Amino acid sequence: KAGVTQTPRYLIKTRGQQVTLSCSPISGHRSVSWYQQTPGQGLQFLFEYFSETQRNKGNFPGRFSGRQFSNSRSEMNVSTLELGDSALYLCASSLMAGDSGTQYFGPGTRLLVL
Amino acid sequence: GQQLNQSPQSMFIQEGEDVSMNCTSSSIFNTWLWYKQDPGEGPVLLIALYKAGELTSNGRLTAQFGITRKDSFLNISASIPSDVGIYFCAGRIDSGNTPLVFGKGTRLSVIA
Repeated sequence: KAGVTQTPRYLIKTRGQQVTLSCSPISGHRSVSWYQQTPGQGLQFLFEYFSETQRNKGNFPGRFSGRQFSNSRSEMNVSTLELGDSALYLCASSLMAGDSGTQYFGPGTRLLVL
Repeated sequence: GQQLNQSPQSMFIQEGEDVSMNCTSSSIFNTWLWYKQDPGEGPVLLIALYKAGELTSNGRLTAQFGITRKDSFLNISASIPSDVGIYFCAGRIDSGNTPLVFGKGTRLSVIA
């Protein structure tokens, strides 16, 4: 069974630009969560989607948004990029919403904002 | 919001030694999880704990859900070089309606 895939794996953008990251969950998984990982703050929850609906949202500004499609694939978008948005963005999928025991992470997208 | 205090921040140990790390919270958690992250990869779930007092093993790894529900520890016995990585604890305050909260990680280095 294929794991969680994230594209692209690496991305370089400049301040003010916007970026879209993609996540394909494990086949059959309907819940997708996004996290931002930085050396200073660790892993911080961005949002969780289940059946195309946002279930939870972390404490991030409105520049961070996401969506989930009917095939459970998810995208997150960051508009008006700032230097502090440089991070590893991780996606995790699980069978059901809030199911920690079956949550599997992808390899992440490393975003560098210059 | 909830915070998890994970310690130690980093460890250097000799191959064959046992390792212990822990996580504490000011809030009561209903779920405790332990993950390992290798360079360039996403975290991998090692052990999930759902009940206060629960002690669960996965090979050389053993984790416990503290009886106060405010802490958890992870032990690694007889460490080997491939144990190198960053170990994260994570917790959830309810049955699944709130997101996971992560500790800041313990970076483990194993000296052969």
